[in-house]
Amino acid sequence: SQQGEEDPQALSIQEGENATMNCSYKTSINNLQWYRQNSGRGLVHLILIRSNEREKHSGRLRVTLDTSKKSSSLLITASRAADTASYFCATERGNNRLAFGKGNQVVVIP
Amino acid sequence: DGGITQSPKYLFRKEGQNVTLSCEQNLNHDAMYWYRQDPGQGLRLIYYSQIVNDFQKGDIAEGYSVSREKKESFPLTVTSAQKNPTAFYLCASSIQQGARDNEQFFGPGTRLTVL
Repeated sequence: SQQGEEDPQALSIQEGENATMNCSYKTSINNLQWYRQNSGRGLVHLILIRSNEREKHSGRLRVTLDTSKKSSSLLITASRAADTASYFCATERGNNRLAFGKGNQVVVIP
Repeated sequence: DGGITQSPKYLFRKEGQNVTLSCEQNLNHDAMYWYRQDPGQGLRLIYYSQIVNDFQKGDIAEGYSVSREKKESFPLTVTSAQKNPTAFYLCASSIQQGARDNEQFFGPGTRLTVL
């Protein structure tokens, strides 16, 4: 899982398998966001889940949020080689600032 | 990478030199941000600006400076006072100060190497 003080996690899976990654945070939040970063590129927003939501879907992505445990998970179903990337969670800090985790690196093997 | 451009993509600098990284957006966003990313690390906020002619220090502002004279532009200067400037620099923007559920849009990044 990723949070401010933990080392980034790496996950290697076969194409077609599901990939699950976790994120934890410390303070109360308005929302939690997930971003993807391909190697050497900028981040791309994937999905946002509000603090009053428990689960959200977008295509092959499923995000859960447990505010009692201050944690979130991102599930990518039926992974593809193109899903190979680093995935970051981010929480809002106020003044439109985001606090990013250290990321989960996912490698999908064709 | 949306409507945000960063230039150059790669930048080499000699120690002791100041260098300015460009960030331009055509999304009409109010807020803009500069982040630094080191290998295996998340993003750390350097400076951010919520409106033209105003900006605030982030978590690691020492050795950096910015300006926000135009809504679409937010250049970052890495000064000689920055002790370890070699990193990947990312610029981002978001739609509106105070808006709910702001997502950030990122540029492609500039990789700065100090020789």
